[in-house]
Amino acid sequence: EVQLVESGGGLIQPGGSLRLSCAASGFTVSSNYMSWVRQAPGKGLEWVSVIYSGGSTYYADSVKGRFTISRDNSKNTLYLQMNSLRAEDTAVYYCARGDVDSDAFDIWGQGTMVTVSS
Amino acid sequence: QSALTQPASVSGSPGQSITISCTGTSSDVGSYNLVSWYQQHPGKAPKLMIYEVSKRPSGVSNRFSGSKSGNTASLTISGLQAEDEADYYCCSYAGTLWVFGTGTKVTVL
Repeated sequence: EVQLVESGGGLIQPGGSLRLSCAASGFTVSSNYMSWVRQAPGKGLEWVSVIYSGGSTYYADSVKGRFTISRDNSKNTLYLQMNSLRAEDTAVYYCARGDVDSDAFDIWGQGTMVTVSS
Repeated sequence: QSALTQPASVSGSPGQSITISCTGTSSDVGSYNLVSWYQQHPGKAPKLMIYEVSKRPSGVSNRFSGSKSGNTASLTISGLQAEDEADYYCCSYAGTLWVFGTGTKVTVL
């Protein structure tokens, strides 16, 4: 079965760091492009970051310089390292597969909640 | 990286058709035929409904259709059903980056 399972969310103080993981099954992470998308409570979807199959990475201006996307091909897992966290980073974080045939995010994880608060 | 603009809400009666607009710029919607639409029910992950402006993934009802003109894409839901009540988001490729729309809440009256 093709699926994504996120983990690593939780409560963290402002200025702290957290690493999210997204374990993939049923397909190869490195053969697709993968993104993180977040959704603040009661708000809309916000694209956060992407890693393309060739390894290039890109970020939304709101997280550039603070977040780092990466993948471990041996574990077929996507990561998001989040540093210097702010209250406005509080959100459900989803990982999503970018399908190379449809050029759309066709598989989504269930999401993991990150709460930044003192 | 401004969000694409969608109406906050759209409503219709069962059986009617509704259309949701998604307005971007010449740097995103206007430049690429890589607009997709997602349906999200409360507490659930988004679900892909339309890709490449007008194509439907396997398993998505043909009541959902998409189009684009210039910098504006549109999603039409025909034969509105109670289960279509959800939030809908458009998304566009913007040259290495991606951008989502502000979201539209669809209410079935």
